[in-house]
Amino acid sequence: EVHLVESGGGLVQPGRSLRLSCAASGFMFDDYAMHWVRQAPGKGLEWVASISWDGGNIGYADSVKGRFTISRDNSMSSLYLQMNSLRVEDTALYYCGKDRTMISATGIDSWGQGTLVTVSS
Amino acid sequence: QSVLTQPPSVSGAPGQGVTISCTGTSSNIGANYDVHWYQQVPGTAPKLVIYANRNRPSGVPDRFSASKSGTSASLTITGLQAEDEADYYCHSYDSSLRGSVFGGGTRLTVL
Repeated sequence: EVHLVESGGGLVQPGRSLRLSCAASGFMFDDYAMHWVRQAPGKGLEWVASISWDGGNIGYADSVKGRFTISRDNSMSSLYLQMNSLRVEDTALYYCGKDRTMISATGIDSWGQGTLVTVSS
Repeated sequence: QSVLTQPPSVSGAPGQGVTISCTGTSSNIGANYDVHWYQQVPGTAPKLVIYANRNRPSGVPDRFSASKSGTSASLTITGLQAEDEADYYCHSYDSSLRGSVFGGGTRLTVL
Protein backbone atom coordinates (compact mmCIF):
# COMPACT_ATOMS: atom_id res chain seq x y z
CA GLU A 1 0.00 0.00 0.00
CA VAL A 2 1.27 3.46 -0.94
CA HIS A 3 2.06 5.76 1.98
CA LEU A 4 3.07 9.39 1.72
CA VAL A 5 3.84 11.25 4.93
CA GLU A 6 4.58 14.97 4.84
CA SER A 7 6.46 16.81 7.57
CA GLY A 8 8.18 20.12 8.20
CA GLY A 9 5.23 22.47 8.29
CA GLY A 10 4.70 25.05 10.98
CA LEU A 11 4.38 28.72 11.80
CA VAL A 12 6.98 30.97 10.17
CA GLN A 13 7.41 34.71 9.74
CA PRO A 14 7.20 36.36 6.32
CA GLY A 15 10.53 36.33 4.53
CA ARG A 16 11.80 33.25 6.34
CA SER A 17 12.41 29.74 5.01
CA LEU A 18 10.99 26.28 5.59
CA ARG A 19 11.79 22.85 4.19
CA LEU A 20 9.04 20.30 3.70
CA SER A 21 9.71 16.58 3.41
CA CYS A 22 7.62 13.70 2.14
CA ALA A 23 8.54 10.15 3.10
CA ALA A 24 7.28 7.58 0.62
CA SER A 25 6.76 3.86 1.06
CA GLY A 26 4.87 0.97 -0.50
CA PHE A 27 6.04 1.53 -4.08
CA MET A 28 9.19 1.91 -6.19
CA PHE A 29 9.78 5.61 -5.52
CA ASP A 30 12.27 6.09 -8.35
CA ASP A 31 9.74 4.88 -10.94
CA TYR A 32 7.35 7.80 -10.51
CA ALA A 33 7.11 11.55 -10.88
CA MET A 34 6.09 13.44 -7.74
CA HIS A 35 4.20 16.63 -6.99
CA TRP A 36 3.57 19.26 -4.35
CA VAL A 37 0.03 20.64 -4.34
CA ARG A 38 -1.27 23.16 -1.81
CA GLN A 39 -4.65 24.24 -0.54
CA ALA A 40 -5.16 27.53 1.25
CA PRO A 41 -7.79 27.50 4.01
CA GLY A 42 -11.24 27.28 2.46
CA LYS A 43 -9.83 27.44 -1.08
CA GLY A 44 -9.23 25.05 -3.96
CA LEU A 45 -6.24 22.98 -4.99
CA GLU A 46 -3.20 24.77 -6.42
CA TRP A 47 -0.36 22.92 -8.11
CA VAL A 48 3.01 24.05 -6.72
CA ALA A 49 5.75 21.95 -8.32
CA SER A 50 6.53 18.65 -10.03
CA ILE A 51 9.63 16.55 -10.52
CA SER A 52 10.16 13.62 -12.87
CA TRP A 53 11.40 10.23 -11.69
CA ASP A 54 15.05 11.15 -12.13
CA GLY A 55 14.85 14.85 -11.31
CA GLY A 56 15.60 15.75 -14.90
CA ASN A 57 12.30 17.51 -15.49
CA ILE A 58 11.09 20.06 -12.98
CA GLY A 59 8.26 22.58 -13.14
CA TYR A 60 6.95 25.31 -10.84
CA ALA A 61 3.83 27.42 -10.58
CA ASP A 62 4.49 31.06 -11.42
CA SER A 63 3.46 31.99 -7.86
CA VAL A 64 6.46 30.16 -6.37
CA LYS A 65 9.04 30.26 -9.17
CA GLY A 66 12.37 31.57 -7.95
CA ARG A 67 11.43 31.07 -4.29
CA PHE A 68 10.66 27.35 -3.98
CA THR A 69 12.85 24.39 -4.98
CA ILE A 70 11.58 20.83 -5.40
CA SER A 71 14.03 17.95 -5.11
CA ARG A 72 14.07 14.23 -4.45
CA ASP A 73 16.41 11.64 -3.00
CA ASN A 74 15.56 8.32 -4.60
CA SER A 75 17.92 6.45 -2.27
CA MET A 76 15.85 7.71 0.66
CA SER A 77 12.46 7.51 -1.09
CA SER A 78 11.92 11.13 -0.14
CA LEU A 79 10.60 14.28 -1.76
CA TYR A 80 11.44 17.78 -0.60
CA LEU A 81 10.25 21.34 -1.02
CA GLN A 82 12.60 24.12 0.02
CA MET A 83 10.54 27.27 0.51
CA ASN A 84 12.38 30.60 0.75
CA SER A 85 11.14 34.18 1.02
CA LEU A 86 7.82 32.97 2.34
CA ARG A 87 4.78 35.22 2.00
CA VAL A 88 1.51 35.39 3.86
CA GLU A 89 -0.21 34.05 0.72
CA ASP A 90 1.86 30.85 0.92
CA THR A 91 -0.20 29.83 3.95
CA ALA A 92 -1.77 26.50 3.05
CA LEU A 93 -1.94 22.77 3.61
CA TYR A 94 0.81 21.28 1.45
CA TYR A 95 0.17 17.86 -0.06
CA CYS A 96 2.73 15.48 -1.47
CA GLY A 97 1.40 13.49 -4.42
CA LYS A 98 2.57 10.52 -6.48
CA ASP A 99 1.99 10.60 -10.22
CA ARG A 100 0.76 7.59 -12.13
CA THR A 101 3.90 7.43 -14.28
CA MET A 102 7.53 8.54 -14.55
CA ILE A 103 6.58 11.83 -16.12
CA SER A 104 4.28 14.35 -14.51
CA ALA A 105 0.74 15.39 -15.49
CA THR A 106 -0.61 11.86 -15.96
CA GLY A 107 -2.74 12.01 -12.83
CA ILE A 108 -1.89 12.05 -9.11
CA ASP A 109 -3.03 8.67 -7.83
CA SER A 110 -1.84 8.87 -4.23
CA TRP A 111 -1.82 11.77 -1.80
CA GLY A 112 -0.44 12.33 1.67
CA GLN A 113 -2.49 13.89 4.44
CA GLY A 114 -0.69 17.21 4.12
CA THR A 115 1.43 19.44 6.32
CA LEU A 116 0.22 22.89 7.32
CA VAL A 117 2.35 25.93 6.63
CA THR A 118 1.30 29.19 8.26
CA VAL A 119 3.13 32.38 7.31
CA SER A 120 2.37 35.16 9.74
CA SER A 121 4.14 37.81 11.76
CA GLN B 1 -8.96 33.01 -11.23
CA SER B 2 -8.23 29.40 -12.22
CA VAL B 3 -6.93 28.51 -15.67
CA LEU B 4 -9.55 25.76 -15.87
CA THR B 5 -13.11 26.96 -15.22
CA GLN B 6 -15.60 24.90 -13.25
CA PRO B 7 -19.05 25.80 -11.93
CA PRO B 8 -18.86 26.60 -8.20
CA SER B 9 -21.65 24.20 -7.32
CA VAL B 10 -24.00 21.54 -8.63
CA SER B 11 -26.65 19.50 -6.88
CA GLY B 12 -28.86 16.52 -7.44
CA ALA B 13 -31.21 14.22 -5.60
CA PRO B 14 -30.21 10.71 -4.59
CA GLY B 15 -30.44 8.39 -7.59
CA GLN B 16 -30.22 11.22 -10.09
CA GLY B 17 -27.21 12.23 -12.20
CA VAL B 18 -25.10 15.37 -12.44
CA THR B 19 -22.46 16.63 -14.83
CA ILE B 20 -19.57 18.91 -13.88
CA SER B 21 -17.90 20.88 -16.64
CA CYS B 22 -14.27 21.97 -16.92
CA THR B 23 -13.50 24.60 -19.55
CA GLY B 24 -9.96 25.28 -20.65
CA THR B 25 -8.13 26.87 -23.55
CA SER B 26 -6.01 26.01 -26.56
CA SER B 27 -2.90 25.74 -24.37
CA ASN B 28 -4.25 23.04 -22.06
CA ILE B 29 -7.31 20.88 -22.76
CA GLY B 30 -7.53 22.16 -26.34
CA ALA B 31 -3.90 21.21 -26.90
CA ASN B 32 -4.88 17.60 -26.30
CA TYR B 33 -3.41 17.33 -22.82
CA ASP B 34 -5.14 14.76 -20.65
CA VAL B 35 -7.70 15.76 -18.04
CA HIS B 36 -7.91 14.12 -14.63
CA TRP B 37 -10.60 14.42 -11.98
CA TYR B 38 -10.36 14.32 -8.18
CA GLN B 39 -12.91 13.98 -5.42
CA GLN B 40 -12.21 15.70 -2.10
CA VAL B 41 -14.44 15.15 0.87
CA PRO B 42 -13.97 18.18 3.17
CA GLY B 43 -11.21 17.56 5.70
CA THR B 44 -9.59 14.78 3.71
CA ALA B 45 -6.99 14.47 0.95
CA PRO B 46 -8.09 14.45 -2.69
CA LYS B 47 -8.75 11.13 -4.41
CA LEU B 48 -8.25 10.41 -8.11
CA VAL B 49 -11.55 9.30 -9.67
CA ILE B 50 -10.77 9.68 -13.40
CA TYR B 51 -7.41 9.79 -15.19
CA ALA B 52 -6.52 10.44 -18.81
CA ASN B 53 -9.92 11.85 -19.76
CA ARG B 54 -12.09 8.78 -19.22
CA ASN B 55 -10.34 6.06 -17.23
CA ARG B 56 -11.40 4.96 -13.76
CA PRO B 57 -8.78 3.80 -11.23
CA SER B 58 -9.44 0.50 -9.57
CA GLY B 59 -12.11 0.80 -6.88
CA VAL B 60 -13.93 3.80 -8.35
CA PRO B 61 -17.56 2.91 -9.10
CA ASP B 62 -18.70 2.87 -12.72
CA ARG B 63 -21.23 5.54 -11.76
CA PHE B 64 -18.33 7.91 -12.44
CA SER B 65 -17.57 8.65 -16.08
CA ALA B 66 -15.93 11.46 -17.99
CA SER B 67 -15.29 12.78 -21.45
CA LYS B 68 -13.33 15.45 -23.27
CA SER B 69 -14.03 17.43 -26.40
CA GLY B 70 -12.28 20.46 -27.83
CA THR B 71 -11.31 22.80 -25.01
CA SER B 72 -13.66 21.25 -22.44
CA ALA B 73 -14.07 18.17 -20.33
CA SER B 74 -16.87 16.88 -18.14
CA LEU B 75 -17.38 14.49 -15.25
CA THR B 76 -20.71 12.71 -14.93
CA ILE B 77 -21.91 10.96 -11.80
CA THR B 78 -25.04 8.82 -12.11
CA GLY B 79 -27.14 7.20 -9.39
CA LEU B 80 -26.10 9.84 -6.85
CA GLN B 81 -25.42 8.64 -3.35
CA ALA B 82 -24.94 10.63 -0.15
CA GLU B 83 -21.26 9.61 -0.11
CA ASP B 84 -20.70 11.42 -3.42
CA GLU B 85 -21.13 14.78 -1.69
CA ALA B 86 -17.71 16.40 -2.04
CA ASP B 87 -15.64 18.91 -3.97
CA TYR B 88 -14.53 17.86 -7.45
CA TYR B 89 -11.49 19.23 -9.29
CA CYS B 90 -10.29 18.88 -12.86
CA HIS B 91 -6.55 18.87 -13.61
CA SER B 92 -4.54 19.17 -16.80
CA TYR B 93 -1.24 20.46 -18.18
CA ASP B 94 -0.75 23.90 -19.70
CA SER B 95 1.93 24.40 -22.32
CA SER B 96 2.03 28.17 -21.92
CA LEU B 97 2.54 27.93 -18.16
CA ARG B 98 4.74 24.83 -18.52
CA GLY B 99 3.03 23.19 -15.61
CA SER B 100 -0.06 21.56 -14.20
CA VAL B 101 -3.26 23.49 -13.66
CA PHE B 102 -6.34 22.75 -11.56
CA GLY B 103 -9.88 23.92 -11.93
CA GLY B 104 -11.36 26.04 -9.17
CA GLY B 105 -13.42 23.13 -7.89
CA THR B 106 -17.12 22.28 -7.86
CA ARG B 107 -19.05 21.53 -4.68
CA LEU B 108 -21.51 18.69 -5.26
CA THR B 109 -24.47 18.65 -2.91
CA VAL B 110 -26.67 15.57 -2.72
CA LEU B 111 -30.08 16.92 -1.78
